[in-house]
Amino acid sequence: GQNIDQPTEMTATEGAIVQINCTYQTSGFNGLFWYQQHAGEAPTFLSYNVLDGLEEKGRFSSFLSRSKGYSYLLLKELQMKDSASYLCAVRSDSWGKFQFGAGTQVVVTP
Amino acid sequence: DTEVTQTPKHLVMGMTNKKSLKCEQHMGHRAMYWYKQKAKKPPELMFVYSYEKLSINESVPSRFSPECPNSSLLNLHLHALQPEDSALYLCASSQVQAPTNYGYTFGSGTRLTVV
Repeated sequence: GQNIDQPTEMTATEGAIVQINCTYQTSGFNGLFWYQQHAGEAPTFLSYNVLDGLEEKGRFSSFLSRSKGYSYLLLKELQMKDSASYLCAVRSDSWGKFQFGAGTQVVVTP
Repeated sequence: DTEVTQTPKHLVMGMTNKKSLKCEQHMGHRAMYWYKQKAKKPPELMFVYSYEKLSINESVPSRFSPECPNSSLLNLHLHALQPEDSALYLCASSQVQAPTNYGYTFGSGTRLTVV
């Protein structure tokens, strides 16, 4: 079957670093995406990995190991506005279907 | 224009009503999607259109009827819904051909409440 697992919730203080792990088992693999979603709003694209390794984009970095079916999203210098749900998503074919994890709610405290 | 626009933002409807959700994009994307999202759950795929033709229907009940009248518009017609259909309905679009490194562009969603 297909499965994407990520922790339900993580709490960290402003200015700290948080790492959100995602493990996946899917029938195909054509890229892993991270999205940020504030409550009641649409998901917004954060990062994309299709090859093994680290992709850095400002305060956000994402890592992928295809052999381990594992990714993480690293959020540095946390700000209050980073409080949101972070969704791990796997694209299993060349364009169409994404499967989303349940999301990790990150709570940033002062 | 890099947006997907959904209307209305909020909709309350009775179980005997007929209503439609609308989605529009002008990015030249030829794949468009409907997702349903319940609170604290991930988006669940409902329908995929590719080049204005329905390519994926994830066994969605017939009370939901999608329509793609042209390459920029996507509708979701609603009829005889149940209270459990209350959710955030998200429209998304993307390029059809790989590679694409940004996945979907999502609209801001329609918050649907069925009473």
